[in-house]
Amino acid sequence: KQEVTQIPAALSVPEGENLVLNCSFTDSAIYNLQWFRQDPGKGLTSLLLIQSSQREQTSGRLNASLDKSSGRSTLYIAASQPGDSATYLCAATDSWGKLQFGAGTQVVVTP
Amino acid sequence: ETGVTQSPTHLIKTRGQQVTLRCSSQSGHNTVSWYQQALGQGPQFIFQYYREEENGRGNFPPRFSGLQFPNYSSELNVNALELDDSALYLCASSPDLAGSYEQYFGPGTRLTVT
Repeated sequence: KQEVTQIPAALSVPEGENLVLNCSFTDSAIYNLQWFRQDPGKGLTSLLLIQSSQREQTSGRLNASLDKSSGRSTLYIAASQPGDSATYLCAATDSWGKLQFGAGTQVVVTP
Repeated sequence: ETGVTQSPTHLIKTRGQQVTLRCSSQSGHNTVSWYQQALGQGPQFIFQYYREEENGRGNFPPRFSGLQFPNYSSELNVNALELDDSALYLCASSPDLAGSYEQYFGPGTRLTVT
């Protein structure tokens, strides 16, 4: 059974610092790894999708890496801004498209 | 804009009642999944529908049931509501069944059971 863990559970950084969010999964037989952003009381916004054959994906200030052999993915957010404050969730996808989510990392960026 | 919509946005029900939540997938997406997200937790997989047939179920009792229609809409029905059913319910659609496809989420329905 796939288990996904996100550490830390919460993170507070001053504006301008780089953010590093960690995600680990127990079963390396994943089809892809998705990172999502969730604002309080809202739905999920997809940030990056890394296919199992890829090592990383980039979009603007966001970069996500994937190491299937070690069961880890890392989301980097460069030069953080107060608008980056949200909860970030990672999810591992199985062969049927079922997502197994971590509990999320709650990020606060202070001005 | 993902194109996935859900209704209603918020809903308050009493314990023991029944509720129906609705989702409209992106056009052409034949796979829809439903997730339950309790406060402070990650979403948990309820079930998945592919071409109007249930294709997998998570650890949820039979009082959670669903339907998928040919017009890319779907429903989540919950009978005999319990207080613990209070959560954000999310639907996600994808173009096909394979795990390589991206999942597109709707904004969710917040259900409160009193």
